[in-house]
Amino acid sequence: GQQVMQIPQYQHVQEGEDFTTYCNSSTTLSNIQWYKQRPGGHPVFLIQLVKSGEVKKQKRLTFQFGEAKKNSSLHITATQTTDVGTYFCAYSGTYKYIFGTGTRLKVLA
Amino acid sequence: DSGVTQTPKHLITATGQRVTLRCSPRSGDLSVYWYQQSLDQGLQFLIQYYNGEERAKGNILERFSAQQFPDLHSELNLSSLELGDSALYFCASSTGQGRRYGYTFGSGTRLTVV
Repeated sequence: GQQVMQIPQYQHVQEGEDFTTYCNSSTTLSNIQWYKQRPGGHPVFLIQLVKSGEVKKQKRLTFQFGEAKKNSSLHITATQTTDVGTYFCAYSGTYKYIFGTGTRLKVLA
Repeated sequence: DSGVTQTPKHLITATGQRVTLRCSPRSGDLSVYWYQQSLDQGLQFLIQYYNGEERAKGNILERFSAQQFPDLHSELNLSSLELGDSALYFCASSTGQGRRYGYTFGSGTRLTVV
């Protein structure tokens, strides 16, 4: 069956450093979504990518969908303490989205 | 406030008991999803309803059941509770299947089984 791996599992960065999390699938994905969950909070939808090679930006966040639609990445430029949390990718299954294992980001001030 | 309301926020109960978690979706959303998040774990899909009908089932235990009512609120029933059922239970809702604007999650119900 379809498997999606998200790496790394954890990442500690110094404030101001960049951060990237990757989502890799064994099969082609129709679309992919990204969510952020702050500590003690609930997942919040960030963005959806649909097209091969698509790149979208939200301020310091850059989202990419691979050309083969088998991988995606979220890159944060110059992290801030407000970026702390767990970032999940999610791909569509039948009638529901399946979430990756998440990357927990800690930002050291 | 996301617009998705979950009650109660916290629940502590003993093994063997039964509890009901409630979710009111965002206004206008017909789809409701239930996810389980154990400590430091990802989000495990349990079940989905669309306009009162069950649409998809994940790895939901037989001890767990859910339904969506005509007013679109949903309830997740957990019975014969075990220590391992302790987790954060999230409800999410979406317009259609959430393929464009994603899911809107509630703040969750933290269940502790002692």
